[in-house]
Amino acid sequence: GESVGLHLPTLSVQEGDNSIINCAYSNSASDYFIWYKQESGKGPQFIIDIRSNMDKRQGQRVTVLLNKTVKHLSLQIAATQPGDSAVYFCAEIESGSARQLTFGSGTQLTVLP
Amino acid sequence: DSGVTQTPKHLITATGQRVTLRCSPRSGDLSVYWYQQSLDQGLQFLIQYYNGEERAKGNILERFSAQQFPDLHSELNLSSLELGDSALYFCASSLRGETNTEAFFGQGTRLTVV
Repeated sequence: GESVGLHLPTLSVQEGDNSIINCAYSNSASDYFIWYKQESGKGPQFIIDIRSNMDKRQGQRVTVLLNKTVKHLSLQIAATQPGDSAVYFCAEIESGSARQLTFGSGTQLTVLP
Repeated sequence: DSGVTQTPKHLITATGQRVTLRCSPRSGDLSVYWYQQSLDQGLQFLIQYYNGEERAKGNILERFSAQQFPDLHSELNLSSLELGDSALYFCASSLRGETNTEAFFGQGTRLTVV
């Protein structure tokens, strides 16, 4: 399959455990954040987003936490499943007219049976 | 399936050549974005079109150009190709012109320059 091949941070978790993927962002002007999942051979897939006026948002099995003080974002996946194995990217959008996505370097999540 | 279609899926070409990558956005989406995903740079925004007009430019080389046609499909033209242009090229689309609405990505075109 397609592999980004970057020297990515990796996270291995046992099936059924919870996963926490972290992301540090640098632009204090960013006001919107998105987590994407990229499976091998596929394009990035939207998972969940959060605006800067929130510190937590929950979806189905996923929770995103935002700490603006330390410019940190995390994605929590509950009861991790084999299908969750992928590269996870955080992306930020700076407030203003351009509003383009700036992606982080990604984390490779591997779910162990 | 995101609804965004990219062709071709794979492309192998020689240095100095020119290629065209094609993207059909999701039905109803007016905005198209092009991204490059390379081994050492991650996902980099190249350019955005909205309803046929260029909306924003990112780290796009002068050797690269794009356009969006009246039927909203888009093409990314890469010329005078170099080995370092080898990468995955993704197209994404969204309904409006701002990516703070959910953008859907295609499966990408893998370009290999030899």
